[in-house]
Amino acid sequence: DIQMTQSPASLSASLGETVTIECLASEDIYSNLAWYQQKPGKSPQLLIYDASSLQDGVPSRFSGSESGTQYSLEINSLQSEDAATYFCQQHHDYPYTFGAGTKLELK
Amino acid sequence: QVTLKESGPGMLQPSKTLSLTCSFSGFSLSTSGMVVSWIRQPSGKSLEWLAAIDWDGDKYYNPSLKSRLTVSKDTSNTQVFLKITSVDIADTATYYCARLITTFDYWGQGVMVTVSS
Repeated sequence: DIQMTQSPASLSASLGETVTIECLASEDIYSNLAWYQQKPGKSPQLLIYDASSLQDGVPSRFSGSESGTQYSLEINSLQSEDAATYFCQQHHDYPYTFGAGTKLELK
Repeated sequence: QVTLKESGPGMLQPSKTLSLTCSFSGFSLSTSGMVVSWIRQPSGKSLEWLAAIDWDGDKYYNPSLKSRLTVSKDTSNTQVFLKITSVDIADTATYYCARLITTFDYWGQGVMVTVSS
């Protein structure tokens, strides 16, 4: 199985700031990486797929990038509604695997 | 409008078989390239992909659970089912079904399943 190591486990930031969440794949996943946002009691919502493609309807302050097997999610100009847990997921090969999650708290 | 909704027993005893149903609309599982997957999430933890079935009836399972899982679909291609045999406390989780096109673009609301004696 492909392992996805996500960091940090949690972070706290202020409104308007920029944060970055990272995921390291245990092998090459050829940009087949997605990011999801999950709020308490809700199902995950797709933000980004193919490492950097923004899902329809997702604000442009969310962006994804990659460097080798390291993938990043950047959230610019943090808004209050961005408080959530974020997960990465590789969609390169079965079994699809997820990162452990990053809980983002707004100060 | 794409929607998915899971249904299940809510609670069951250890060693029993868990049966889940995913009812969906807004797309057809008979369309080439379409896939529906099952994913679960224990409370406060990350997500675990379980199984998938595609438009052609091909099935895919997480090797860690493969011997206990069976995924199927109905002939009208509007429902997908998942059975998990010999459940134990570790199977307590919220179970989601999701449409898979490239990745999981639409999810159901989830159904919470508790395994308890």
